[in-house]
Amino acid sequence: GAGVSQSPSNKVTEKGKDVELRCDPISGHTALYWYRQSLGQGLEFLIYFQGNSAPDKSGLPSDRFSAERTGGSVSTLTIQRTQQEDSAVYLCASSSQTSSFYEQYFGPGTRLTVT
Amino acid sequence: SQQGEEDPQALSIQEGENATMNCSYKTSINNLQWYRQNSGRGLVHLILIRSNEREKHSGRLRVTLDTSKKSSSLLITASRAADTASYFCATDAQGAQKLVFGQGTRLTINP
Repeated sequence: GAGVSQSPSNKVTEKGKDVELRCDPISGHTALYWYRQSLGQGLEFLIYFQGNSAPDKSGLPSDRFSAERTGGSVSTLTIQRTQQEDSAVYLCASSSQTSSFYEQYFGPGTRLTVT
Repeated sequence: SQQGEEDPQALSIQEGENATMNCSYKTSINNLQWYRQNSGRGLVHLILIRSNEREKHSGRLRVTLDTSKKSSSLLITASRAADTASYFCATDAQGAQKLVFGQGTRLTINP
């Protein structure tokens, strides 16, 4: 079956511009997670959704970052007024339950480069 | 703060040898998971071990968990070139609904 998909796969943007990253989770998965990974580093948790609500936004690095999820499916991560330090790979994952007992299925990521 | 931390940061071995990676964490957990990442892209789940388990096997993978030492190890036996990847442990905090990933171990298998 189809896995988690993300678009675009690569995005180059100028400093100060806004960007939108999209995640299509596995059909039926209620939990959706966003992570950020800088070059050679581990994953930094950003936000997770249970259905359309986001119980935990603690990882969003600043108020320039926001995310939404509609219809319990597609999610978009928006970064406003991008900065060079926002350059990273943004990974989305989904899971059948919002519990750490369930494995997360990852998308291929969006590589964001802010010039 | 980082919950899981892998050791070593990088490991290079010859094909056919065994590779051992370690993970330490700070707080009590419900379970610990190991993931593999190829080429800096999406992660693939390898194995999950629950806090009441001490050892688990899956093919050439063996995971151990020592909750008294707050540590886990991942052993890959008879390594292959295709095992070259970064390996991450991920832990939860009891009651939490999210995973916290470590910095990863970069494993290189030399033919």
